Amino acid sequence: EVQLLESGGGLVQPGGSLRLSCAASGFTFSSYVMSWVRQAPGKGLEWVSTASGSGYTTSYADSVQGRFTISRDNSKNTLFLQMDSLRAEDTAVYFCTGKADGYWFFDVWGRGTLVTVSS
Amino acid sequence: QSALTQPASVSGSPGQSITISCTGTSSDIGTYNYVSWYQQHPGKAPKLMIYDVSSRPSGVSNRFSGSKSGNTASLTISGLQAEDEADYYCSSYTRSSSWVFGGGTKLTVL
Repeated sequence: EVQLLESGGGLVQPGGSLRLSCAASGFTFSSYVMSWVRQAPGKGLEWVSTASGSGYTTSYADSVQGRFTISRDNSKNTLFLQMDSLRAEDTAVYFCTGKADGYWFFDVWGRGTLVTVSS
Repeated sequence: QSALTQPASVSGSPGQSITISCTGTSSDIGTYNYVSWYQQHPGKAPKLMIYDVSSRPSGVSNRFSGSKSGNTASLTISGLQAEDEADYYCSSYTRSSSWVFGGGTKLTVL
């Protein structure tokens, strides 16, 4: 069974840091381009960041560029998102999602982890 | 990259058909046939319903169909059923090598 399981969310003060993890199983992780997509409370989906299958190529939304870092450990089938200099507007459910290389849609999704940035 | 534009809400009675529009620009929908649609029930993860404008993943009902014209994509749901009530999001790959989502449309089955 294909599964993505996020962890690491929680309450953090503005300016603080948090590291999210996403454990993958049931598919060949290294052949999947992996991304983070977030959803603020009551709002729509927002693409955050993407890492290629090897992890060498990454991209970020302008809203998180320079503050967030995406990485992956293919030996452990795990995706990460290091979030620094957090702001109130980063409060959201963060979904881990993936697409097969050569395709352009997200076909595997985790259930999400909630990040709350508040003093 | 601005979000794609979707109507905030649509509604229909069981058995009817509805269409949700998704308007982008020449930098996303207008350039690529990489439009996908996702269904999200409250508190759940998004589920892929349509990819590459009009293709359906295995297991998705053929009541769901997609199309595109210029910078606008559309999702049509025919034979509405109660379980179709959910939020729907469009998405497109962009010239910036990123993805953009629509603001979401709440479908109410009357």
